[in-house]
Amino acid sequence: DIQMTQSPSSLSASVGDRVTITCRASQSISSYLNWYQQKPGKAPKLLIYAASSLQSGVPSRFSGSGSGTDFTLTISSLQPEDFATYYCQQSYSTLGITFGPGTKVDIK
Amino acid sequence: EVQLVESGGGVVRPGGSLRLSCAASGFTFDDYGMSWVRQAPGKGLEWVSGINWNGGSTGYADSVKGRFTISRDNAKNSLYLQMNSLRAEDTALYHCARVIGPYSSGHWFDPWGQGTLVTVSS
Repeated sequence: DIQMTQSPSSLSASVGDRVTITCRASQSISSYLNWYQQKPGKAPKLLIYAASSLQSGVPSRFSGSGSGTDFTLTISSLQPEDFATYYCQQSYSTLGITFGPGTKVDIK
Repeated sequence: EVQLVESGGGVVRPGGSLRLSCAASGFTFDDYGMSWVRQAPGKGLEWVSGINWNGGSTGYADSVKGRFTISRDNAKNSLYLQMNSLRAEDTALYHCARVIGPYSSGHWFDPWGQGTLVTVSS
């Protein structure tokens, strides 16, 4: 299976900060990388698909980039509703879809 | 509105069985693949199983292969997960999710249901 890592595992930030989360795959996954946001007690929500495409209805302060093995989720100006856990997910192979371990973003 | 509602969770003893259901509405069910993703208490997300639009192609995580079976009934707009030989480590909130994009590779999950809780305990 393709292993996914994320860094950092958690971060503290203030409203208005620029936040960057990194996701790395154990082998090349082309651009088959998606990002989800999960708030406590809620189902995950799709933010970014195919590495850099913004899901409809998601604020433009969220952006994604990368290809191959290294990917980035950026929040350009952190808002109060953005405090959550973020997961990356690869779908290079249907035989073994995997998620990153998550990055928790909380209030500084 | 696209909606996915899971049911069938509960408390079961190790070695027991459970069948989860996911009722879909607000979209043409048989146009999409579907998946199950679980989340153990306080832990991250783990893909469990997926199925293409007509049930002709399925996939399983190694952790459940041979014990779980995914299926669907397009006439009932429903997705199922038959779970046998349950273990303590299967305890989790099980979400169903719609697959968007090519089922073979390069797809994503949207939306997700709120989940149904499975607890395996003696």
